[in-house]
Amino acid sequence: QLQLQESGSGLVKPSQTLSLTCAVSGGSISSGGYSWSWIRQPPGKGLEWIGYIYHSGSTYYNPSLKSRVTISVDRSKNQFSLKLSSVTAADTAVYYCARSSYGVIGYWGQGTLVTVSS
Amino acid sequence: QSALTQPASVSGSPGQSITISCTGTSSDVGGYNYVSWYQQHPGKAPKLMIYEVSNRPSGVPDRFSGSKSGNTASLTISGLQAEDEADYYCSSYTSSSTPVFGGGTKLTVL
Repeated sequence: QLQLQESGSGLVKPSQTLSLTCAVSGGSISSGGYSWSWIRQPPGKGLEWIGYIYHSGSTYYNPSLKSRVTISVDRSKNQFSLKLSSVTAADTAVYYCARSSYGVIGYWGQGTLVTVSS
Repeated sequence: QSALTQPASVSGSPGQSITISCTGTSSDVGGYNYVSWYQQHPGKAPKLMIYEVSNRPSGVPDRFSGSKSGNTASLTISGLQAEDEADYYCSSYTSSSTPVFGGGTKLTVL
């Protein structure tokens, strides 16, 4: 059974860079046909797709976040990562990692809350 | 990239049927059959309920069904049960290769 687990700092200061990692177990991140996504959900609000990466390293980002987002993959560790720069309070959210294919998410991580505050 | 449009809330009594709509454009819902629906209970990660417009993953009750007409997709839940009370989100692949979610619909079982 595929499992995904987010890890990283739960508190980030404004203007700094948010960094999260998603460890994948029960399957290989190099499996063809899938992309590896980051999605976020501000408290009490809806879901927002941040972006995704293929095992080849090709990336696709939400246009509204593109200038601040970097998603990378580490095939040797079977994990992928998110960096979001110049954060503000509006970036406070639960961040989920997931396995996706053409926008269909079959597997989600449990989510991790990241708070942006000084 | 605008969010897909869903009603903020719907409600129904146990045993009844409800339908949640998800309206987009020809660049997303209308242009692709990659429309998905997710159920989210409070404090939990979303769960895939419908993929590719009308397909159910293994384990999802057949009370859940999906359809699409033009730029609008729909999720129907028949034989409503108390445990169906949750938030529901639609999602669609888009012409920019980045998926987009709907704003979410809160389902209340009366």
